[in-house]
Amino acid sequence: NAGVTQTPKFQVLKTGQSMTLQCAQDMNHEYMSWYRQDPGMGLRLIHYSVGAGITDQGEVPNGYNVSRSTTEDFPLRLLSAAPSQTSVYFCASSETVTGATDTQYFGPGTRLTVL
Amino acid sequence: DQQVKQNSPSLSVQEGRISILNCDYTNSMFDYFLWYKKYPAEGPTFLISISSIKDKNEDGRFTVFLNKSAKHLSLHIVPSQPGDSAVYFCAAKMGFRNNDMRFGAGTRLTVKP
Repeated sequence: NAGVTQTPKFQVLKTGQSMTLQCAQDMNHEYMSWYRQDPGMGLRLIHYSVGAGITDQGEVPNGYNVSRSTTEDFPLRLLSAAPSQTSVYFCASSETVTGATDTQYFGPGTRLTVL
Repeated sequence: DQQVKQNSPSLSVQEGRISILNCDYTNSMFDYFLWYKKYPAEGPTFLISISSIKDKNEDGRFTVFLNKSAKHLSLHIVPSQPGDSAVYFCAAKMGFRNNDMRFGAGTRLTVKP
């Protein structure tokens, strides 16, 4: 049981390039989410999904796209990278979105630098 | 607008002593509070939580206290151990929904042997 996995661990992009951050979970969780962590700020929700085929925006969605074609995978796409997207990105999953005690399991993170 | 604030970026304590990490929140709609622990190069892991109907929850060496009137919670670690050295994030949920969760900026705890 690998939990939540993310690839790559590190990535350097040039402004304007696009890329996809991969996230997968093997716990059959309904809910998956993407966060970004910036210095001096808490984790902020980018996009989330409550099941295959269903996605929605979080607090900071601009510049990112997501899709959820399977229960296991939830990739995050940067359409045209900007220096403001330099951050550490975490993927997380939980059994459901509304469980009071339903905690989220986080992946190890992807450190992205946009030059 | 940071609805969850951890005003101490860092805290250093001696092994065996108590560590107290603090967290303040502004939104009275939060009804569930959590603490996550994060080691370098790893994702946050869940540590302990508390519902808004309680004022204390204990799990081994970890205790979380909630003061709703002050909109304040704290995490006590007794006794502190070097392995507790990590970044601790406070988080709060509205309506028990994971997509309505807000995180503090974190406090880096260093426990010195």
